[in-house]
Amino acid sequence: EDQVTQSPEALRLQEGESSSLNCSYTVSGLRGLFWYRQDPGKGPEFLFTLYSAGEEKEKERLKATLTKKESFLHITAPKPEDSATYLCAAQLSGTYKYIFGTGTRLKVLA
Amino acid sequence: DAGITQSPRHKVTETGTPVTLRCHQTENHRYMYWYRQDPGHGLRLIHYSYGVKDTDKGEVSDGYSVSRSKTEDFLLTLESATSSQTSVYFCAISDPSGGTDTQYFGPGTRLTVL
Repeated sequence: EDQVTQSPEALRLQEGESSSLNCSYTVSGLRGLFWYRQDPGKGPEFLFTLYSAGEEKEKERLKATLTKKESFLHITAPKPEDSATYLCAAQLSGTYKYIFGTGTRLKVLA
Repeated sequence: DAGITQSPRHKVTETGTPVTLRCHQTENHRYMYWYRQDPGHGLRLIHYSYGVKDTDKGEVSDGYSVSRSKTEDFLLTLESATSSQTSVYFCAISDPSGGTDTQYFGPGTRLTVL
């Protein structure tokens, strides 16, 4: 069964305290791995797409990486405005179907 | 931001009544999707469309139907709403012809079935 698991479920960081969020996937075939940010009461906002193991993408304090089994979202020196739920999704190869994880709720304290 | 709107944004209805949610896009994207989001579950695909009048089922399609008569509009209908369909519904769009399969999401519709 195709599955995406995110850990931890929730994470509290002090401002400036770097950490990583994990997204492990078990799918029949991976077309792409997507990261989104979701603020309360809003729709997911696209962050990154990764297509190949070893690929890395960066945007401000965020860096996403991909291996054959998992993806990491590294947050460097986070700020309170980085507080949100971070979702990952695996697109199944040969399809336009996406399997989402349940998300990591990040809280950054000032 | 991708030009995606959803209507209504909030709705309260009673069990057994029909409900239609609308997704409208101004991006001319070919693919459109309907998801539901519930606590403890990731976003789950209900139905998607790969063109006008072309639709397919997702993993939680029972009790839902969709229609797409124009590129810009994708309708989700609950023929007879049940309390288990209380959820937040998100529409998404994508355009693979642009070289990426990235989905862009609308603001969501919060539906409560009493």
